Amino acid sequence: AQKITQTQPGMFVQEKEAVTLDCTYDTSDQSYGLFWYKQPSSGEMIFLIYQGSYDEQNATEGRYSLNFQKARKSANLVISASQLGDSAMYFCAMTPSAGGTSYGKLTFGQGTILTVHP
Amino acid sequence: DAGVIQSPRHEVTEMGQEVTLRCKPISGHNSLFWYRQTMMRGLELLIYFNNNVPIDDSGMPEDRFSAKMPNASFSTLKIQPSEPRDSAVYFCASSLYRSGANVLTFGAGSRLTVL
Repeated sequence: AQKITQTQPGMFVQEKEAVTLDCTYDTSDQSYGLFWYKQPSSGEMIFLIYQGSYDEQNATEGRYSLNFQKARKSANLVISASQLGDSAMYFCAMTPSAGGTSYGKLTFGQGTILTVHP
Repeated sequence: DAGVIQSPRHEVTEMGQEVTLRCKPISGHNSLFWYRQTMMRGLELLIYFNNNVPIDDSGMPEDRFSAKMPNASFSTLKIQPSEPRDSAVYFCASSLYRSGANVLTFGAGSRLTVL
């Protein structure tokens, strides 16, 4: 069984500052994928970034980067230069297999609400 | 690309009524997922299909829930009879495995309220 833990119910950051959202996971699978999704107040789920368990480089997508520490089983999301539009709920998620056939059976964490102050 | 299309966006019904939620996945995607989101339980996977075939329905709460995917461009999630505890946002998502990842694209969700 897989488990995702997001220990920060809420986070605050000043506009233009960087913020780190924490995510730890537990799995017995050797191969897995880690994802971050954003859910603004409008409700839709928006894919942000993906990291495969065998990827040696940390994933980056624009202002988003994933700080992957395999030994610690953590996959923190770093948002640089925060913008007011970044205010939303952020979910960490994982699937059992990244390198092989993956059916996207995502297990989600409970989420972190990020508020960006002007 | 129109994205994943769900209908209705909002549904208010009375306990005991049948509810049908609909989903049109992105053309070319071969996997489809139904998720439910509530404050208490977060996001839960109910069922997913691969090439129109149900692969895992272990997340379906009980026999009152059923899902079908008659073709690659359409899926339904049915609740009969509905109960107040079924009130939630139901998301449909589709994906195409590529480049070592199966990135799900979610629809806007169907908010269900059962009175």
